[in-house]
Amino acid sequence: QFQLQESGPGLVKPSETLSLTCLVSGDALTNTSYYWSWIRHSPGKGLQWIGNIYYSGTTYYNPSLNGRISLSIDASRNQFSLTLTSLTATDTAVYYCARALNRYVFNWFDPWGLGTLVTVSS
Amino acid sequence: EIVLTQSPDTLSLSPGERATLSCRASHVIDSTYLAWYQQRPGQAPRLLMYGASTRATGIPDRFCGSGSGTDFTLTITRLEPEDFAVFYCQQYASSPTFGQGTKVEIK
Repeated sequence: QFQLQESGPGLVKPSETLSLTCLVSGDALTNTSYYWSWIRHSPGKGLQWIGNIYYSGTTYYNPSLNGRISLSIDASRNQFSLTLTSLTATDTAVYYCARALNRYVFNWFDPWGLGTLVTVSS
Repeated sequence: EIVLTQSPDTLSLSPGERATLSCRASHVIDSTYLAWYQQRPGQAPRLLMYGASTRATGIPDRFCGSGSGTDFTLTITRLEPEDFAVFYCQQYASSPTFGQGTKVEIK
């Protein structure tokens, strides 16, 4: 059964860097029929797409995040990761990883992981 | 950025009733690039519909999507108890964006 599982710190301090990992099970990250995404959900901004990464390493990022994002992929561990720098309280959110069918430049997300809550606070 | 505005914010209905949810885009989008999700409390969003009107795998046929241009609709023909949740639309014609959600609650 295909699953995605996010992991990372629940609490980070302002100005620090967040690192989250998504472990994929039930399929290989090398499957080029798909690519891999991060999305977050906060009370202030609702659902916000963060970025996509392909097995090849090609990435697309949400321009509104002003260059603070970096996505990477580790096929040997079947996981992909998000790094978000210069955190502020507005980055407090539930962070989801998701899979997307590689049909168009951008696509729908299916399925999603359960999400992990990240709170930015001193 | 394409802004999606959903209405109403909350819909109070009884099981068995029909629900009609709206999603309006700030720019014209091809219906190929519109999806709908359901999110129950404590769960991840679940894909219901893509291409505006194509049901995802396992989604019952009481869920119907329609629309074109800037106006899209998700209809639930007869609400079942498990349908009460928050629903989001998403466009993927350009950098993906989501609507703010419509909560369907039990009246």
